[in-house]
Amino acid sequence: AQKVTQAQTEISVVEKEDVTLDCVYETRDTTYYLFWYKQPPSGELVFLIRRNSFDEQNEISGRYSWNFQKSTSSFNFTITASQVVDSAVYFCALSPTNAGKSTFGDGTTLTVKP
Amino acid sequence: DAGITQSPRHKVTETGTPVTLRCHQTENHRYMYWYRQDPGHGLRLIHYSYGVKDTDKGEVSDGYSVSRSKTEDFLLTLESATSSQTSVYFCATLVGNTGELFFGEGSRLTVL
Repeated sequence: AQKVTQAQTEISVVEKEDVTLDCVYETRDTTYYLFWYKQPPSGELVFLIRRNSFDEQNEISGRYSWNFQKSTSSFNFTITASQVVDSAVYFCALSPTNAGKSTFGDGTTLTVKP
Repeated sequence: DAGITQSPRHKVTETGTPVTLRCHQTENHRYMYWYRQDPGHGLRLIHYSYGVKDTDKGEVSDGYSVSRSKTEDFLLTLESATSSQTSVYFCATLVGNTGELFFGEGSRLTVL
């Protein structure tokens, strides 16, 4: 069975602060995929990033960065210099294959205050 | 753009009535999924399809059935709606072969 835990239910920061969203996963599979999705207040779900279990290289995309550590089964997401537009619910997800049957965490609601 | 349209976007119904939600995609994707989103539960997979007439159950399939008679349409049916099925339902397709999902805009269902 797969499980994704996002222990932080809600986080509130002031604009320009850095913030890290935690994601811990459980799986018995040796090959798997990890994802982050964003759900802004408008409600749509937007894909942010994918990592497969063979690729532990961290990734940076603008103000976003992701830290994948197999040793601790974690796939954390950091937003640097947060902005009000970053306010959203962020979901971490795990899939055993590339066939989309993802298990989602409960989400972390991020509020960035001006 | 995976071109997903969900209908209806909003529906209020009464306990015991049948409800069908439709997901229509225009990109000829093979895989399609129905998730429900509830506060405190993230998204949970209800059913999915890996081709026309090929469907399988997800994590929370009880009380739901699906059909896929055409590649572009994936229907979710609640045979007899219950208040516990009040939720936001998202349809998704698989983009490429990397496991990422493209979601529709969601259908908010309220069962009174």
